[in-house]
Amino acid sequence: AQSVSQHNHHVILSEAASLELGCNYSYGGTVNLFWYVQYPGQHLQLLLKYFSGDPLVKGIKGFEAEFIKSKFSFNLRKPSVQWSDTAEYFCAVATGGFKTIFGAGTRLFVKA
Amino acid sequence: DTGVSQNPRHKITKRGQNVTFRCDPISEHNRLYWYRQTLGQGPEFLTYFQNEAQLEKSRLLSDRFSAERPKGSFSTLEIQRTEQGDSAMYLCASSLGPAGGLDEQFFGPGTRLTVL
Repeated sequence: AQSVSQHNHHVILSEAASLELGCNYSYGGTVNLFWYVQYPGQHLQLLLKYFSGDPLVKGIKGFEAEFIKSKFSFNLRKPSVQWSDTAEYFCAVATGGFKTIFGAGTRLFVKA
Repeated sequence: DTGVSQNPRHKITKRGQNVTFRCDPISEHNRLYWYRQTLGQGPEFLTYFQNEAQLEKSRLLSDRFSAERPKGSFSTLEIQRTEQGDSAMYLCASSLGPAGGLDEQFFGPGTRLTVL
């Protein structure tokens, strides 16, 4: 069955530290990849997406993600986090049709 | 506010009762999705509508669950004979997609269901 695995459930960083959140999926065909973010008290919102083309995609607020097809990975990165990045981050994969599979999420806490 | 809205935001019910949730998508969006999210998990896909047609339905959606989108605008999700395992956050999302294409989903705030 198709699945999405996020390696870390909780991450604590100090401001200005670099961030990398891991995401791996299991599916051998064409995929569309997403990272969503949920800030405290807010709705899920799209951070960035990959459909095709350049495997390095840039999103809002300085986030980027790299699709590595051979590793079935779509890791999220940010060179310098801010306190306002404290949120829960979800990796998601759409494998055809319109069914989107989400990972379990990673809670990031950034210490000021 | 022109985002996705969901009502009610919270629902507490007794086991065995029926509940109905409503989702109002962003007005021009033709696609509507329902998800369920439990504590410590990401959203799980339940069903998808393109306009008024229900095109995909997860195996998670048992016979007790039914969703409608009668005029291609708002949608309802009904759970009959609720069970304690139905306790979760029910999320609705909508998107404006070209035919055959994937696009960004906009999520609502969710309805939190507690079954006692």
